[in-house]
Amino acid sequence: DAMVIQNPRYQVTQFGKPVTLSCSQTLNHNVMYWYQQKSSQAPKLLFHYYDKDFNNEADTPDNFQSRRPNTSFCFLDIRSPGLGDAAMYLCATSRDPGTDKNIQYFGAGTRLSVL
Amino acid sequence: AQSVTQPDIHITVSEGASLELRCNYSYGATPYLFWYVQSPGQGLQLLLKYFSGDTLVQGIKGFEAEFKRSQSSFNLRKPSVHWSDAAEYFCAVTSGGSYIPTFGRGTSLIVHP
Repeated sequence: DAMVIQNPRYQVTQFGKPVTLSCSQTLNHNVMYWYQQKSSQAPKLLFHYYDKDFNNEADTPDNFQSRRPNTSFCFLDIRSPGLGDAAMYLCATSRDPGTDKNIQYFGAGTRLSVL
Repeated sequence: AQSVTQPDIHITVSEGASLELRCNYSYGATPYLFWYVQSPGQGLQLLLKYFSGDTLVQGIKGFEAEFKRSQSSFNLRKPSVHWSDAAEYFCAVTSGGSYIPTFGRGTSLIVHP
């Protein structure tokens, strides 16, 4: 089945130690998104790639970076995780928004803990 | 600015009872409306969507939603809730002007046996 896969499902890191979260998709979608979701809150968009074009949300901290080396993969790098960065990180994809009115397909998420 | 309101943070129902989750939006343009469900520890899954046409839309798992333009609402309904429906439900909106969805804060559904 075509899908969005996030690895790892659970990640524990130390305060200030860089961490990378991975997302891959077999849907061949143009757009890939990274969301941060804290407990009992809506997902908060950090940034997204439309093909190779990177779009950063204005309030996303500089501590968060992203890479999309090809259509299938997208990475979230947290350069110096703080305790406040502990959250669920969701990757999502969508096709060309003009075709699907932007239905999003989500991975199962990576739960990040910061010690 | 566009906004999505889900006024109920928690809803508790008994198994077998009917369910309605509320969603209101503030949007100038023609909205595209979505309901997503999130089971504990999982990502979001699309339940149903409304783009145009018939204002009553059917989704997966026996859910339906009705778009009411006059009330700026897109409420989610299910006639008989199952224990497996316990989850977080998010309403989301996009418009022709932006493909980035705006999510409501979510409603947590608790199902009593």
